[in-house]
Amino acid sequence: ETGVTQTPRHLVMGMTNKKSLKCEQHLGHNAMYWYKQSAKKPLELMFVYSLEERVENNSVPSRFSPECPNSSHLFLHLHTLQPEDSALYLCASSQNDRGAFYGYTFGSGTRLTVV
Amino acid sequence: DAKTTQPPSMDCAEGRAANLPCNHSTISGNEYVYWYRQIHSQGPQYIIHGLKNNETNEMASLIITEDRKSSTLILPHATLRDTAVYYCIVRVANSGGSNYKLTFGKGTLLTVNP
Repeated sequence: ETGVTQTPRHLVMGMTNKKSLKCEQHLGHNAMYWYKQSAKKPLELMFVYSLEERVENNSVPSRFSPECPNSSHLFLHLHTLQPEDSALYLCASSQNDRGAFYGYTFGSGTRLTVV
Repeated sequence: DAKTTQPPSMDCAEGRAANLPCNHSTISGNEYVYWYRQIHSQGPQYIIHGLKNNETNEMASLIITEDRKSSTLILPHATLRDTAVYYCIVRVANSGGSNYKLTFGKGTLLTVNP
């Protein structure tokens, strides 16, 4: 257990469904991230939250909607996804003090399959 | 952040040292070298990082050349559980702003063989 917990571990959803991925960190970190990893591709950064404020959105389609209600929780709301959105979705957290960066801690990911 | 170059794959015999190279010839003076690894279908795991001195922890050693243009991650006694994709990443440790990005490349797939 890394201190970053993602649920569910596996998710199968239809293209018309609405679902949410959840990430919780117990490390006291002040920044959280969503990454997408498609088969045989590098990790792609999707969203960055720092102190609960979204600081980066890497041209992600609007069918992905992040939410960060507090510094310990991060959600990724999904609706009307496409089969090509099937991937491993990874959450990470980090502690960034006055811009200093101490590295990421990742969760185990949610394996999403869109049918 | 500086770009890195790693071999796509390497093999290593179990019990032997695994030496994973990384080139980062455009590294800046304030950029650190970070290493992560990703075991199949899991989240990446932090291994080690350094600026210019060699570093060692319970997982690995990091050797950075004097000109800082390349580095080597050393797993002293590789086991089958060390089979993973290893990522070398270069970035500033203190960005002075809101740039917290960590950009992953394709990494090196290390296969440890019995």
